[in-house]
Amino acid sequence: EIVLTQSPGTLSLSPGERATLSCRASQSVSGSQLAWYQQKPGQAPRLLIYGASSRATGIPDRFSGSGSGTDFTLTISRLAPEDFAVFYCQHFGSSPRITFGQGTRLEIK
Amino acid sequence: QVQLQESGPGLVKPSETLSLTCTVSGGSVSSGSYFWSWIRQPPGKGPEWIGYIYYNGNTNYNPSLKSRVSISLHTSENQFSLTLSSVTAADTAVYYCARDSFSMIANYGLDVWGQGTTVTVSS
Repeated sequence: EIVLTQSPGTLSLSPGERATLSCRASQSVSGSQLAWYQQKPGQAPRLLIYGASSRATGIPDRFSGSGSGTDFTLTISRLAPEDFAVFYCQHFGSSPRITFGQGTRLEIK
Repeated sequence: QVQLQESGPGLVKPSETLSLTCTVSGGSVSSGSYFWSWIRQPPGKGPEWIGYIYYNGNTNYNPSLKSRVSISLHTSENQFSLTLSSVTAADTAVYYCARDSFSMIANYGLDVWGQGTTVTVSS
């Protein structure tokens, strides 16, 4: 089973700043198997990025994903007030099919 | 657009069976392009995948829950359902249904989610 480790646990930034969130896999994975989600309090997670770097429908272009092998990154180029939330990376494997990282909380500084 | 809606009891007693249903609107559970999934999220924790069912009835479960889980498809009602047996307090969580979109060459993510339903296991 692939284990995803996200860092940092909490990131404190101001609107307008750049956010860089990390997701490290316990073994090398294909980029096509890596996705990112945003979750706000009381809401379901929302798909941001699939295939490591492809934005989901309706996601603003300030969100971007990159990486390969064991190291993947979600970047938010200029933080908007509505971007503050918890972010999860997620892997599509064989058994189990889906695993999630433990999350990074992005909070307003 | 496709929408998912969970329904079922919000309170289940320990050792009993949890049963939830997900109703799909704006799309069909008979499509071969999706896995219909259940995911749960305990209070203050990250999401945990429970399992999925495919349009042909094939299922795939998280090994950690496999002995207690069953997912079934109800095509005439455009629904799929989850049963989890012998529940304990550790099964208290928000339960989500979600659409897992894929093709032969790619995974497109869990692109549609229900709003979630809170299930508490308590006597």
